Amino acid sequence: DAGITQSPRHKVTETGTPVTLRCHQTENHRYMYWYRQDPGHGLRLIHYSYGVKDTDKGEVSDGYSVSRSKTEDFLLTLESATSSQTSVYFCAIKGSSVSNEQFFGPGTRLTVL
Amino acid sequence: SQQGEEDPQALSIQEGENATMNCSYKTSINNLQWYRQNSGRGLVHLILIRSNEREKHSGRLRVTLDTSKKSSSLLITASRAADTASYFCATDAGDKIIFGKGTRLHILP
Repeated sequence: DAGITQSPRHKVTETGTPVTLRCHQTENHRYMYWYRQDPGHGLRLIHYSYGVKDTDKGEVSDGYSVSRSKTEDFLLTLESATSSQTSVYFCAIKGSSVSNEQFFGPGTRLTVL
Repeated sequence: SQQGEEDPQALSIQEGENATMNCSYKTSINNLQWYRQNSGRGLVHLILIRSNEREKHSGRLRVTLDTSKKSSSLLITASRAADTASYFCATDAGDKIIFGKGTRLHILP
């Protein structure tokens, strides 16, 4: 699993509340990614990071922000959660400097009521 | 919008048969990758094929790439119950890779 953990693994929250998901890696990888997975949509990229304090948007970044203050942690924040953000969120790292092979964390199931 | 599209969306075959899944994509790529996802788990990388390669093998997996048609196929030979999963193609777009919606494969006993 390339030393990737996500926390929390499950969360139920209410509409309008802020939520932060954490991805932690132990192998000093430069690139980290946040995806959401929904039925019928597969995996969609939210944001990614290519170094400490270096981040960029993916295809579904609206309503999400990220931060990376140290190599091992990549945080995903929903400033004001909405029901449309109910999903399973996966963190991934890029495992190779040559190719884009990615290794995924176990996922966080978020339910927004 | 998503780059890769897998076909079929779902596939059921008897154990021991071969399973073929296809992926079409829209723009030029550096490489194409296939991943597997078991129910409730994260994705696991299976195989990568570069844009200058036409075929690649890994155990029971065979991947082909046709850049002129912007398509790839994943063949799993001699399927087993443990191959039941969703399979995704992913295209390299620089710093990030873009996933398709996946094919759900069910191996019947």
